[in-house]
Amino acid sequence: KNQVEQSPQSLIILEGKNCTLQCNYTVSPFSNLRWYKQDTGRGPVSLTIMTFSENTKSNGRYTATLDADTKQSSLHITASQLSDSASYICVVRPFKAAGNKLTFGGGTRVLVKP
Amino acid sequence: GAGVSQSPSNKVTEKGKDVELRCDPISGHTALYWYRQSLGQGLEFLIYFQGNSAPDKSGLPSDRFSAERTGGSVSTLTIQRTQQEDSAVYLCASSPTQGLGGELFFGEGSRLTVL
Repeated sequence: KNQVEQSPQSLIILEGKNCTLQCNYTVSPFSNLRWYKQDTGRGPVSLTIMTFSENTKSNGRYTATLDADTKQSSLHITASQLSDSASYICVVRPFKAAGNKLTFGGGTRVLVKP
Repeated sequence: GAGVSQSPSNKVTEKGKDVELRCDPISGHTALYWYRQSLGQGLEFLIYFQGNSAPDKSGLPSDRFSAERTGGSVSTLTIQRTQQEDSAVYLCASSPTQGLGGELFFGEGSRLTVL
């Protein structure tokens, strides 16, 4: 069964500090991996997308990495801001599968404190 | 607006009542999804529409749940004889491609509370 596991479930960091979120998946082969940000009370919004051949992808202060050999991805947040407080969701799409076969991780809830 | 629109944003109902949740996807998006998110939990797939194909209903938790998509655009999720465990946020998303790597654009969700 395809699975996506995220860690930690939650974390608290001080404003200005960095943090790294982890995503381990068993989906194989896979087409792409996305990180979504979900603000409280809002729908998720895509931050980055990575295909099998990509190792790093940045979007402002967000940097995603991918190790297809170990089936791990990470999302690094640099110089955190209060607005980074949200849930971050890792989503993996199997190769050549229809869009409804996306596998969602349970998310990591990040709280940035001043 | 240009985004996915969901209504109502909040719905409080009594156990046993029927509810309808509406989703208006981004114009031109062929794929439409419904997900359910319980408090503090991840997204649970419910149903997927792709163009004129038969929908994938494999995620619907019971026969009390149904959904339709009229004219390839607006979708309605119906929950009959609501139960307290149906309380959750129901998220709709649309995608501009036939699902092949397409980004999901989510609405703000409909928060359902069953008393």
